[in-house]
Amino acid sequence: AQSVTQPDIHITVSEGASLELRCNYSYGATPYLFWYVQSPGQGLQLLLKYFSGDTLVQGIKGFEAEFKRSQSSFNLRKPSVHWSDAAEYFCAVGARVGGTSYGKLTFGQGTILTVHP
Amino acid sequence: DVKVTQSSRYLVKRTGEKVFLECVQDMDHENMFWYRQDPGLGLRLIYFSYDVKMKEKGDIPEGYSVSREKKERFSLILESASTNQTSMYLCASSPLPSTIYFGEGSWLTVV
Repeated sequence: AQSVTQPDIHITVSEGASLELRCNYSYGATPYLFWYVQSPGQGLQLLLKYFSGDTLVQGIKGFEAEFKRSQSSFNLRKPSVHWSDAAEYFCAVGARVGGTSYGKLTFGQGTILTVHP
Repeated sequence: DVKVTQSSRYLVKRTGEKVFLECVQDMDHENMFWYRQDPGLGLRLIYFSYDVKMKEKGDIPEGYSVSREKKERFSLILESASTNQTSMYLCASSPLPSTIYFGEGSWLTVV
């Protein structure tokens, strides 16, 4: 069975600083990887996804993530954090369901990002 | 834009009540999902459905059932609500094969 670990429960950065959120996964086949963001009281918004191809994936809001198979990692990065990036971030690995979909996501525990002015 | 709508955002129910959480998607997606979100545990899959009248158990189905009579609608049912089912419930949908889109969530408190 697949699993996802986000080692950092809470990260605090200053506005304008760079950011890296860690994600490690365990999956027996080629993983399908996602990063979602959740603002307080809201649902989850997709930041980016990796299905295949280029291991550096660009997402929305200036985020990117790099898939490293040798390290079983899919870390999320942003070069300069804005105060509006404060939220909770979830890494997820997708598994096939019904033979075709990758919707059976297994989520990490989440990382809460606080941004100081 | 894809829209996944959960009709009830905040509910308070009594122990033993039957609870229905409704979810509707407007993009003709084949797959629909119910997740539960608890602090420190991330999201856990309760049930999913990849076709009308089809359902599969997720990782934590105990105490829940689902219904999918129409493609656009997926209902989560708590037959007899208990306090340990107090949580945020997230509905989601996806086409084949692609990204999941989430609703805004339903906060359920069982007292």
